[in-house]
Amino acid sequence: GENVEQHPSTLSVQEGDSAVIKCTYSDSASNYFPWYKQELGKRPQLIIDIRSNVGEKKDQRIAVTLNKTAKHFSLHITETQPEDSAVYFCAAKTNFGNEKLTFGTGTRLTIIP
Amino acid sequence: SAVISQKPSRDICQRGTSLTIQCQVDSQVTMMFWYRQQPGQSLTLIATANQGSEATYESGFVIDKFPISRPNLTFSTLTVSNMSPEDSSIYLCSVQTGSNQPQHFGDGTRLSIL
Repeated sequence: GENVEQHPSTLSVQEGDSAVIKCTYSDSASNYFPWYKQELGKRPQLIIDIRSNVGEKKDQRIAVTLNKTAKHFSLHITETQPEDSAVYFCAAKTNFGNEKLTFGTGTRLTIIP
Repeated sequence: SAVISQKPSRDICQRGTSLTIQCQVDSQVTMMFWYRQQPGQSLTLIATANQGSEATYESGFVIDKFPISRPNLTFSTLTVSNMSPEDSSIYLCSVQTGSNQPQHFGDGTRLSIL
């Protein structure tokens, strides 16, 4: 089955700087890669996703890049703000007869004011 | 996106008892899933709730421990049976409105077993 590795497990950045979180996946058939943000005590919320036919996607301060050859994808947050502090999870899905997601282990991002 | 209501939001239970968690969506969805999130950990899929048929369980999860119902396209339940302290966790429902659509999560049920 699919295996998703996520790094780093914790990340602290100064407010206004950029943050990058990286994930690798094992199944070359995976074709959908969402990112979720989970604030303390809250539900995971989808913040951005990318499909395998696209190399990069942006939404304001958030971007995701995908390298299918290397089987890795990254989340980039620019101009970080205190409200970006949360745990971020990457995930991967192989769309063959089921829709299940395999999640990474999570990254705790702390923005230092 | 669909509004997902999960009940109860939290509970404290005695070991050996069972608890049923409900997930209600305000519109019909094709896929419903149940996840477990242990404290400080990632999300682990328990099973896919199939409408009108038995759920599809992931490795390490069995129907006798986690029976699941999905009587229609807007509702599902997860029962945690014969609970032990190791079952203390957050249980999350997620839904998908169609093929190739994103998954969205409910608020979760925080379960503590004494």
